[in-house]
Amino acid sequence: NAGVTQTPKFRVLKTGQSMTLLCAQDMNHEYMYWYRQDPGMGLRLIHYSVGEGTTAKGEVPDGYNVSRLKKQNFLLGLESAAPSQTSVYFCASRLRGNQPQHFGDGTRLSIL
Amino acid sequence: GENVEQHPSTLSVQEGDSAVIKCTYSDSASNYFPWYKQELGKGPQLIIDIRSNVGEKKDQRIAVTLNKTAKHFSLHITETQPEDSAVYFCAASYNTNAGKSTFGDGTTLTVKP
Repeated sequence: NAGVTQTPKFRVLKTGQSMTLLCAQDMNHEYMYWYRQDPGMGLRLIHYSVGEGTTAKGEVPDGYNVSRLKKQNFLLGLESAAPSQTSVYFCASRLRGNQPQHFGDGTRLSIL
Repeated sequence: GENVEQHPSTLSVQEGDSAVIKCTYSDSASNYFPWYKQELGKGPQLIIDIRSNVGEKKDQRIAVTLNKTAKHFSLHITETQPEDSAVYFCAASYNTNAGKSTFGDGTTLTVKP
């Protein structure tokens, strides 16, 4: 099993460009999450999904959109990238509430 | 919403010593408290967790204690080794909230040989 796979691993964008980050899990987990990690600030929840076809806003959703058309995939989109979105993005999944989260290895995104 | 505070932000110990990291939470409804270890360039990985119906849990050199009354929980690592060097995160959640977890800001542990 691959677990949680994030694509791409690194990306550099110019301000105003758009891109999509892909997260795929092969554990048949119901819940999926997108976090951003900034120095000294831990993990902050951007958006999450409790099942195929459902999404909801987390703590810091502005500037991001998500979709979960298939149970195993959770996509994070940046419509118009801003330098403040420079961060490391982590995807996680869990079988259901109050079970351990499984994280991918992150996407390092720089916006110039 | 839930607020989780984690201390210290950095911790340096000699190999073989013990390390303790503490977290406090604000929402009395929280009932699941995992600890994650993050190595450089990797995603966080669960090392131990505890649920609110248990006061202590141990797994070899790692233990976690929970005080529900005081709303704090701690990670204890004994006989530290250089490979324990990493960033450690605590988290709190409750299962009726879509499993959303609130994370502490992390503790960078350095174990000196």
